[in-house]
Amino acid sequence: DIQMTQSPSSLSASVGDRVTITCRASQGISSYLAWFQQKPGKAPKSLIYAASILQSGVPSRFSGSGSGTDFTLTISSLQPEDFATYYCQQYNSYPITFGQGTRLEIK
Amino acid sequence: QVQLQESGPGLVKPSETLSLTCTVSGYSISSGGYYWAWIRQSPGKGLEWIGSIYQSGSTYYNPSLKSRVTISVDTSKNQFSLRLNSVTAADTAVYYCARETFGVVSGWFDPWGQGTLVTVSS
Repeated sequence: DIQMTQSPSSLSASVGDRVTITCRASQGISSYLAWFQQKPGKAPKSLIYAASILQSGVPSRFSGSGSGTDFTLTISSLQPEDFATYYCQQYNSYPITFGQGTRLEIK
Repeated sequence: QVQLQESGPGLVKPSETLSLTCTVSGYSISSGGYYWAWIRQSPGKGLEWIGSIYQSGSTYYNPSLKSRVTISVDTSKNQFSLRLNSVTAADTAVYYCARETFGVVSGWFDPWGQGTLVTVSS
């Protein structure tokens, strides 16, 4: 199985900050990477697929980059509604696997 | 707007079978174009993909659960279902259904159902 490792595990930031979350795959996955946002008690919400393509309706302050083994999710200017947990997911090979999550908290 | 809704018992006894159904609205499963997936989330193991099914009935499962899992589809009801047998406390989790958009080998999930908590306990 491909292991997905996110860093940091948690992060404190302020409204307006620029934030970057990293996801590393244990082997190359091309650009077959998705990012999700999850708020407490809610289902994950798709943000990005194919490493950098924004899901319809997702604000442009979110962006994704990377290929191979190293990927980033960037939020250019944090808004109050962005405080949540973020997950990456690879779909290059079977079985599908997820990162352990990055919890973004208000400073 | 595509919506998914899980249903089924919230409490299952150890060694018994967990059964859940996902009802899809806003899209006809029989139209094809997507897989339909089950994913679970527990504090101990995070997010874990269980398996996926196509409208034809073609399935693929996580090898870690394959011996205990069956996913089926009922296109007449626009539903798909999960059965997980011989459950233990380790199967306690929130279970989600989701639509899977395929890449090459597998896919990503959007949208997701709201999730349903299943507790395994006597």
